Formats: sequence, C-alpha cells, structure tokens
Amino acid sequence: AQKVTQAQTEISVVEKEDVTLDCVYETRDTTYYLFWYKQPPSGELVFLIRRNSFDEQNEISGRYSWNFQKSTSSFNFTITASQVVDSAVYFCALSEKIQGAQKLVFGQGTRLTINP
Amino acid sequence: DVKVTQSSRYLVKRTGEKVFLECVQDMDHENMFWYRQDPGLGLRLIYFSYDVKMKEKGDIPEGYSVSREKKERFSLILESASTNQTSMYLCASTGGALSYNEQFFGPGTRLTVL
Repeated sequence: AQKVTQAQTEISVVEKEDVTLDCVYETRDTTYYLFWYKQPPSGELVFLIRRNSFDEQNEISGRYSWNFQKSTSSFNFTITASQVVDSAVYFCALSEKIQGAQKLVFGQGTRLTINP
Repeated sequence: DVKVTQSSRYLVKRTGEKVFLECVQDMDHENMFWYRQDPGLGLRLIYFSYDVKMKEKGDIPEGYSVSREKKERFSLILESASTNQTSMYLCASTGGALSYNEQFFGPGTRLTVL
C-alpha cells in the first residue's frame, strides 16, 4: 500500500533561517504523483506543487524549492529565508489510482513555526 | 476563482444525533472527496465519489455514509454521531476521469460531538 512519512512533527525556526521539510514515500506504482500542500491557520489546504514520477528535476518557485529523489523515495521541501507568513502545517501527499479517480495518501503533516 | 464551500465551519452535536456535512464545488468537477484530519494522523479518506450517484469507500468509512445526488454537491452523513467522530472534516474536489490534477479543498468543518 502507498505510504507517506513526514518524520518531523514540529519545526520551529527564527525568521530568515532556511528550513527543510522531509517527505519519504512508499509505492509499488511506476507512475505516480507527489504533492505538497500548505494548511495555514485558516484551515484550508492550499496546493503548492505537483511532481510526476518521471520528472526528477528540482523545482524552484521564489523562496520555495523541492528536491525529488527517486533513488531514496524522497520529496523534500525547502523554504529559503523563512518568513512568519510561512507558519503553517505542511502536508506531503502521494497519488494512488482508484476506480478511475485519484486518491491522495497524506503524510502526518509537519507544523512549521517561524518566530520573528 | 475556484471554490469549494462547506456548510459550517464549526458544529457541535450530541452523541446519537444524525449529522449532515455539506460540500459544494463550483468547478464542475467529477471527483469529490471527504477526509477527516486528526493530529498526528494527517488526512484520512472517508469516502469519495467520481460521478453523480456513485460512491466508494475510502480508508475509514465506518460510521459514515455519503450522498451525491448532484454533481456539485457531496454530503457526508454521520448516522449516529459518537465522540470519536470529533474531528476536522475536509471536503475536496478534482476534475477529470483520470485526473492527476491537484485537489481543491474547502475550509473544513470542525465537528465536536459531546
């Protein structure tokens, strides 16, 4: 079965520090998709990125970057020069095809606190 | 602007009550999902639907049922609420029959069962 592990339950850093959120996954599928979502205090999950299993290029979007390594089954997320607004719970998720639709298997989430 | 709305942000019910959680999306999406979120467990899939009147069990369907009579609306029903169903409930939708697009989430309903 698919599984996603986010071993870091909580991380607390001071503003402007860089921080990396770890995500390790297990799957038997050869084709799959990985996602990161952000859940701010308001509660609504916000999509950050999707990466398919054939694309191992790292992605950078502003202060955010993602490192996908198939060899280690990891999809880590780095925030550079963190800001207080980055404080949220972050979820890593893995796709699983079921009944013609897509199911997401979520990790436990990492609560990130950026202190001023 | 795409939108998934949920009928209540906060709900308090008593043990044994029948509870309806409503979710509406305005994106004409085929697929809709109900998750519950608990600390340390992430999001777990309760039920999903890939078409009107179709429903499939997720990972933790016990104690829940769903209804999808119209494409835009997906309801989660707790037939007889219990205290262990106190949780945050999140609805999501995504388009396409074999879609690997991102799921769009509603703001969540925090349900407390006393």
